[in-house]
Amino acid sequence: KQEVTQIPAALSVPEGENLVLNCSFTDSAIYNLQWFRQDPGKGLTSLLLIQSSQREQTSGRLNASLDKSSGRSTLYIAASQPGDSATYLCAVRDGGSQGNLIFGKGTKLSVKP
Amino acid sequence: DADVTQTPRNRITKTGKRIMLECSQTKGHDRMYWYRQDPGLGLRLIYYSFDVKDINKGEISDGYSVSRQAQAKFSLSLESAIPNQTALYFCATSDRTGTVRETQYFGPGTRLLVL
Repeated sequence: KQEVTQIPAALSVPEGENLVLNCSFTDSAIYNLQWFRQDPGKGLTSLLLIQSSQREQTSGRLNASLDKSSGRSTLYIAASQPGDSATYLCAVRDGGSQGNLIFGKGTKLSVKP
Repeated sequence: DADVTQTPRNRITKTGKRIMLECSQTKGHDRMYWYRQDPGLGLRLIYYSFDVKDINKGEISDGYSVSRQAQAKFSLSLESAIPNQTALYFCATSDRTGTVRETQYFGPGTRLLVL
């Protein structure tokens, strides 16, 4: 059974710092991996999607990498801003679950001004 | 207007009551999903539907039922609510872009409290 783990569970950094969020998964048979952002009282917003054949994706200050063989992904946020404060969720589209998404529990990020 | 809407946004009910959560989408997607989110447990899949005639159980379907009334509407029912069904419920949609590119679009969530 696929399991997705995110470390750390919470992170607090001063504004301007670069930071890395980590995600690991137990079964490398995935179709893709996605990073979502969740704001309090709101739904999830997809940030980046990395297909299983890709190594990384970039969007603005965000860069996500995927090492499928080792079951790891990182989300790199450059020059963090208070507006980046949110919970970040990692999810894999699992090959063994009819392609459904399996989510990690998230990392709650707080960027202090 | 939001592409995926959920009603109600907040609901308080009592143990034993039947309640329905509704989801509508204007994205024209075939696939729809219901998740629940609990602190410390992440999002878990309750039911999913790949089209109007296709309904599938997810990881935690016990105590829930669903109805896909149309391509755009997917409802989740709690036949007899119990306190451990207190959670944040999300509806999501996706299209048939193929599993390597397919992503999901989430509604704003319904916060349910069962007393």
